[in-house]
Amino acid sequence: GAVVSQHPSWVICKSGTSVKIECRSLDFQATTMFWYRQFPKQSLMLMATSNEGSKATYEQGVEKDKFLINHASLTLSTLTVTSAHPEDSSFYICSAPMGPHPSAFFGQGTRLTVV
Amino acid sequence: AQSVTQLDSQVPVFEEAPVELRCNYSSSVSVYLFWYVQYPNQGLQLLLKYLSGSTLVKGINGFEAEFNKSQTSFHLRKPSVHISDTAEYFCAVSDRNDYKLSFGAGTTVTVRA
Repeated sequence: GAVVSQHPSWVICKSGTSVKIECRSLDFQATTMFWYRQFPKQSLMLMATSNEGSKATYEQGVEKDKFLINHASLTLSTLTVTSAHPEDSSFYICSAPMGPHPSAFFGQGTRLTVV
Repeated sequence: AQSVTQLDSQVPVFEEAPVELRCNYSSSVSVYLFWYVQYPNQGLQLLLKYLSGSTLVKGINGFEAEFNKSQTSFHLRKPSVHISDTAEYFCAVSDRNDYKLSFGAGTTVTVRA
């Protein structure tokens, strides 16, 4: 079946550095992908909608310059956490809908730890 | 905009017992409804979805849910749980014109032998 692959599954970085997370749709094209953030023991919060060939749409309160999103092809969206700080440590998950219904397929998530 | 309320944050249950996870939603438009399961440090897996038609929806792993429009509910049930059903469960809603999902806070199901 359709799969969304997210890479890396975990990453540790130093404060002030940038980290890139990739989200790929493996056997289908996704003109739209979504990026979520999940704090421990909490629900998923939508950060932004990634649109192929155009700018991402960010949810209220999400810093555009902090979380850079690029959707360069129909199968790849990337999230770059710039100048990371310990408070950016979280679980980041991407998803991609397929077909006319939004029963999105989710990546396996990326555990980011900023030290 | 839609919102989702999962009424139980934690549900402990014995193996082979039934379980029900409650979900209520609010929306000014017609919606699609979903239940997802998340195992530790993993992404979400779709259990089942209600798009239209029969209000009783059957999903994977023996789960089912019933859409009740008058009560704006979409409760998830399983008649007999296994240890492997221990996980976090999320109810989600999307309006019919948007791919965006709004999630509930989640319910932690712990199955004990």
